[in-house]
Amino acid sequence: SQTIHQWPATLVQPVGSPLSLECTVEGTSNPNLYWYRQAAGRGLQLLFYSVGIGQISSEVPQNLSASRPQDRQFILSSKKLLLSDSGFYLCAWSVLAGDTGELFFGEGSRLTVL
Amino acid sequence: GQNIDQPTEMTATEGAIVQINCTYQTSGFNGLFWYQQHAGEAPTFLSYNVLDGLEEKGRFSSFLSRSKGYSYLLLKELQMKDSASYLCAVLDSNYQLIWGAGTKLIIKP
Repeated sequence: SQTIHQWPATLVQPVGSPLSLECTVEGTSNPNLYWYRQAAGRGLQLLFYSVGIGQISSEVPQNLSASRPQDRQFILSSKKLLLSDSGFYLCAWSVLAGDTGELFFGEGSRLTVL
Repeated sequence: GQNIDQPTEMTATEGAIVQINCTYQTSGFNGLFWYQQHAGEAPTFLSYNVLDGLEEKGRFSSFLSRSKGYSYLLLKELQMKDSASYLCAVLDSNYQLIWGAGTKLIIKP
C-alpha cells in the first residue's frame, strides 16, 4: 500500500532563518507531488507541484522553493523565512491529475515564524 | 476568477442530519471533491462527483448539479467524531484543484 510521510510535524523558527520540509512517498512510482499551505480560515493554497524528477511548477511568487531530487522525495525550502510564512504545510501525492485526481496527504507540518 | 463558496461554520446535533452546501464558478469542470479535515490533521478523501446526481457512501452522500454549479455533502446519523472541517474542491479545465475555505461542523450532544 502507498504511504506518504512528511517531517518535521512542528517547528518554530525565527524570522530570517532557513527552512527545510521533507516529504517521501512509498508504494508508488512517478507520483505527482504537491506542496500546499493552509492558513487559518482559508482554503488550501497550492505552492508547488511536480510531475517528475527535477520538474517543479510554482503557482505563487514567494520566498519558498521546492526540489524533487528523487522520484518519491519532495522538499520545500526557504533561505530566509518571513513572518507571513507561518502556516500549516501539507505535502500530497496523486497518481494522475486527469483521472479521479484524488489527493493523498501527508500528516502536515505546522510552522510558526517568530 | 475562480471561486468556491461554502458556509464558514455549521452546528448540528448528534444523531441528526446535516447538509453542507458548496457552489462554484470555475474555468471548466473535471470533478468535485469533498474532504474531511479534523483539527490539526491532514484532509482525508470523502467523495468524488463528476456526473450529476447523488453518490451514497454509508452515512455520507454527495450530490452534484453541474448546470447549477452546486454540490452538497449530506451527513446522516451524526456522531461526535464527525466534528471537523469539510472542504469542497473542484478540478478545473487544467486539472488544477480549486479549494473552498472549508466548513467547520460542530456537533453537539
